[in-house]
Amino acid sequence: EVQLVESGGGLVQPGGSLRLSCAASGFTFSTYEMIWVRQAPGKGLEWVSYITTGGNTRYYADSVKGRFTISRDNAKNSLYLEVDSLRVEDTAVYYCARVYSGGSNQRAHFDYWGQGTLVTVSS
Amino acid sequence: SYELTQPPSVSVSPGQTASITCSGDKLGDKYAGWYQQKPGQSPVVVIYEDRKRPSGIPERFSGSNSGNTATLTISGTQAMDEADYFCQAWDSSTWVFGGGTKLTVL
Repeated sequence: EVQLVESGGGLVQPGGSLRLSCAASGFTFSTYEMIWVRQAPGKGLEWVSYITTGGNTRYYADSVKGRFTISRDNAKNSLYLEVDSLRVEDTAVYYCARVYSGGSNQRAHFDYWGQGTLVTVSS
Repeated sequence: SYELTQPPSVSVSPGQTASITCSGDKLGDKYAGWYQQKPGQSPVVVIYEDRKRPSGIPERFSGSNSGNTATLTISGTQAMDEADYFCQAWDSSTWVFGGGTKLTVL
């Protein structure tokens, strides 16, 4: 059974940092691209970041570029998101999800999602 | 940046057909996906590559995409289909989600 379990969220002051983790199991993690998606309270989904299987290519939403860093450790079946210089507007549930590419990012969809971890940025 | 626009809400009577639209510039030239999210739960993909259904998704869910509009159609809508629905597409090294549509079955 595919499982994605996020952790690392919490309450942090503006300007602070956190490291979010996503533990994967039930599939060969190293062969799948992965993403982070966030959802502010009562709002819609926002794609945050993407990483290829080997970690060589990474994409970021403009809203987090330069402040967030995605990485992965295939030996530990884990995905990470370093979130720095946090702002109040970064408050959200952060989900990791598996990318099913179908041969190209154009075709890709997200077939498994974790339960999310809540990041609250407040003074 | 690319934008996808959805109606905030759609209402449907049980057993009837619900249609949720997603509009974007030349969206028909891209592939659209659709996600269902029930309160307190994580999103679930119900349609990908415009019209493909993942295993386990009921046949009443279908999709189409042409011109500037992708459409999610739910035939014979059931109470359990009440949820938020989000469309998704890829553009210029980013994924974009629509703002979401709240489907009410009443």
